[in-house]
Amino acid sequence: AQSVTQLDSHVSVSEGTPVLLRCNYSSSYSPSLFWYVQHPNKGLQLLLKYTSAATLVKGINGFEAEFKKSETSFHLTKPSAHMSDAAEYFCVVTSNNAGNMLTFGGGTRLMVKP
Amino acid sequence: DGGITQSPKYLFRKEGQNVTLSCEQNLNHDAMYWYRQDPGQGLRLIYYSQIVNDFQKGDIAEGYSVSREKKESFPLTVTSAQKNPTAFYLCASSSPPGATMNEQYFGPGTRLTVT
Repeated sequence: AQSVTQLDSHVSVSEGTPVLLRCNYSSSYSPSLFWYVQHPNKGLQLLLKYTSAATLVKGINGFEAEFKKSETSFHLTKPSAHMSDAAEYFCVVTSNNAGNMLTFGGGTRLMVKP
Repeated sequence: DGGITQSPKYLFRKEGQNVTLSCEQNLNHDAMYWYRQDPGQGLRLIYYSQIVNDFQKGDIAEGYSVSREKKESFPLTVTSAQKNPTAFYLCASSSPPGATMNEQYFGPGTRLTVT
């Protein structure tokens, strides 16, 4: 079985300050982890993915995430928030055993203040 | 230009009517998926198909039906049996499971409102 917990449903930051969106996962097998972003009334866009290569993963738009097996975490960070980063972010887990079936976290809404 | 298209973007129906949502992909992906998203919640899997002419129920299949007659197309019918059909529906596709995990690519979504 696999599950994902996004620890904050809402995060608010000021433009130019760092972003931290927290994600913890549970998986019986070696997981692959993804972060997706969703702007209002849009589909989901892949930000980055971890598939058992480097534990620090760089994605689009300056985002990165670090896979920490000992902490079962995959937190998403960005050094400096931009107004265009305001969106909903989903942490997602899958594994070979799950046959590519994704399990989604509940989402974190990021708000960026000017 | 490869991608997934969903139509229409907004759909309004009266209670008791069946409605079909379209999903087309030109990514040559074997697997396709339908998700439902409700406000403030993550995505829940309705149906998925790993190959043409085959599909499986997801976590919340009741009140929905699908077909997969072509690799490119995976339409979803929301039937009158679905108790709470108003939601945002997302279609996705991916390569089949293999040695590496492949991400799913998502369409822009269809917002269905039933009154």
